[in-house]
Amino acid sequence: DSGVTQTPKHLITATGQRVTLRCSPRSGDLSVYWYQQSLDQGLQFLIQYYNGEERAKGNILERFSAQQFPDLHSELNLSSLELGDSALYFCASSVGSGRAYEQFFGPGTRLTVL
Amino acid sequence: AQKITQTQPGMFVQEKEAVTLDCTYDTSDQSYGLFWYKQPSSGEMIFLIYQGSYDEQNATEGRYSLNFQKARKSANLVISASQLGDSAMYFCAMRGPNFNKFYFGSGTKLNVKP
Repeated sequence: DSGVTQTPKHLITATGQRVTLRCSPRSGDLSVYWYQQSLDQGLQFLIQYYNGEERAKGNILERFSAQQFPDLHSELNLSSLELGDSALYFCASSVGSGRAYEQFFGPGTRLTVL
Repeated sequence: AQKITQTQPGMFVQEKEAVTLDCTYDTSDQSYGLFWYKQPSSGEMIFLIYQGSYDEQNATEGRYSLNFQKARKSANLVISASQLGDSAMYFCAMRGPNFNKFYFGSGTKLNVKP
């Protein structure tokens, strides 16, 4: 158990809908990263937040947005969903210094868009 | 641009033998970090090992070691004494200099044969 929690574990929805994925980082971690892993693909970095502020953006679509709240949990919002958005979405956290260069991954949320 | 290349989509190894998973990277940064993660069929991402670009010695973590050749921009993972539980996808990843923008390779699927 990495200490990072993600809810829900599974999500099934229809095209055009909007969903919110939630992530709680490990205690003490200030950074949260979001990744998308499509079927048989590697991980695509989406976005990073550090202590409530956006720090880096990767291949995140305009239909997607994220935020990190004062209690450091983060939410990834996906709107106008398309079939191609079906993927495993990972959240990871890190402190951001020293040995904490490593990221600890949550179990992921599997999104299926029908 | 930063890029991670894993040229071995799949590999087989006999139980108890050593195996090397290849990873090359491309970056113009002087400060960066290299990681290996394991993803079993259950889907979670498990941190294995980290190498900083300024680290002079190769990183080791139990049966895992990272063969870091900076001039060749390679960071191969060596697993000694393979076990059946090592069967999984393995991802090489790189962190940029500002704790943001992690980049993952496409992964290598390792199968350990009894």
